[in-house]
Amino acid sequence: DAGVTQSPTHLIKTRGQQVTLRCSPKSGHDTVSWYQQALGQGPQFIFQYYEEEERQRGNFPDRFSGHQYPNYSSELNVNALLLGDSALYLCASSSPSGGTDTQYFGPGTRLTVL
Amino acid sequence: GIQVEQSPPDLILQEGANSTLRCNFSDSVNNLQWFHQNPWGQLINLFYIPSGTKQNGRLSATTVATERYSLLYISSSQTTDSGVYFCAVDAGNNRKLIWGLGTSLAVNP
Repeated sequence: DAGVTQSPTHLIKTRGQQVTLRCSPKSGHDTVSWYQQALGQGPQFIFQYYEEEERQRGNFPDRFSGHQYPNYSSELNVNALLLGDSALYLCASSSPSGGTDTQYFGPGTRLTVL
Repeated sequence: GIQVEQSPPDLILQEGANSTLRCNFSDSVNNLQWFHQNPWGQLINLFYIPSGTKQNGRLSATTVATERYSLLYISSSQTTDSGVYFCAVDAGNNRKLIWGLGTSLAVNP
């Protein structure tokens, strides 16, 4: 049973560029959440997708957007990158509709903005 | 919003020692999870424990929901236990986790 997968593993971009990160949920999971983790901090909730719609959103600007596909995989897009966007981006999947609120995390994408 | 505080922030143990990590939260929760983040950043689920007690090998956890705290016990620690331990909660069926700052554990051989 494949767990949550994310790509790419590492990414280096320059200020002003745009980036797309990808996530495939654990088999049987229909809900994907994205988190940003700065160095030395706990993860911060960005947003959550369910049935291809954004269901919840944290305190992140509109530069952060996402998408969920019919196969439940998801993308996180960040436009107009800032130095402060450098962080580990984590994807988590769960299946609340299946009675499982437990969130399982992927290995993360480490984004560096120069 | 709900606040999550973890203690201690840092812990250094000798291999074989036992430890207790604490998580306090400021409001009622319907989801509480403990995670271990390894040095490569991978978050590993340890327990889903909004209330009660669970055990998994050398690890166990207890959440006393009425008193708004959870404890993670590590017995006979090993060097592979090193990393950061996070407590994360969901207070309102939002299914978005609010995280503490973690406890950084170093187990020396």
